[in-house]
Amino acid sequence: SQKIEQNSEALNIQEGKTATLTCNYTNYSPAYLQWYRQDPGRGPVFLLLIRENEKEKRKERLKVTFDTTLKQSLFHITASQPADSATYLCASRNTGGFKTIFGAGTRLFVKA
Amino acid sequence: DTEVTQTPKHLVMGMTNKKSLKCEQHMGHRAMYWYKQKAKKPPELMFVYSYEKLSINESVPSRFSPECPNSSLLNLHLHALQPEDSALYLCASSGHRTDTQYFGPGTRLTVL
Repeated sequence: SQKIEQNSEALNIQEGKTATLTCNYTNYSPAYLQWYRQDPGRGPVFLLLIRENEKEKRKERLKVTFDTTLKQSLFHITASQPADSATYLCASRNTGGFKTIFGAGTRLFVKA
Repeated sequence: DTEVTQTPKHLVMGMTNKKSLKCEQHMGHRAMYWYKQKAKKPPELMFVYSYEKLSINESVPSRFSPECPNSSLLNLHLHALQPEDSALYLCASSGHRTDTQYFGPGTRLTVL
């Protein structure tokens, strides 16, 4: 079955460092991958979308890469801040449908 | 306006009660979604409406009954729920030709 996997359940980093989160996909070739931020008890907030023909996309301190050879997307937050602490979800739509497949999420903790 | 609103924010109900969750968006989106999310898990798709017609039902028990009265509103009617149905219920919407989903803040449901 089509799967999105985020292999780090939690990531702890020091303020000011770069956080790197990993998303791998199996059994299909998504046309794009999306990253969302979710705070406890709140709905996910869309951050970035990267398409399969794009290698990299940036938005302020955020950067996303898409490697179709490794079947992987990396999500980077540079100069991380305690306010960046949240769960980050990788997602994509299944081939030909309306169904969005989410990874399990990575909880990021940024220590001051 | 990129906002999806949901009411109520919190709901506590008994197993014999009937209640409804409401969702509204004014972005002109023609696809609307209901998700269920348990603690520390990713959102699970329940229903998708496209142009006010139900297009996906992910084998959800009949005690959950969705309704899309018009293109801006989405309801989820609840009846005879079980304690294991306690979760965060998220509504989302997307443009029919775009991939990004915008989520509401969710309704925290507790079934006693």
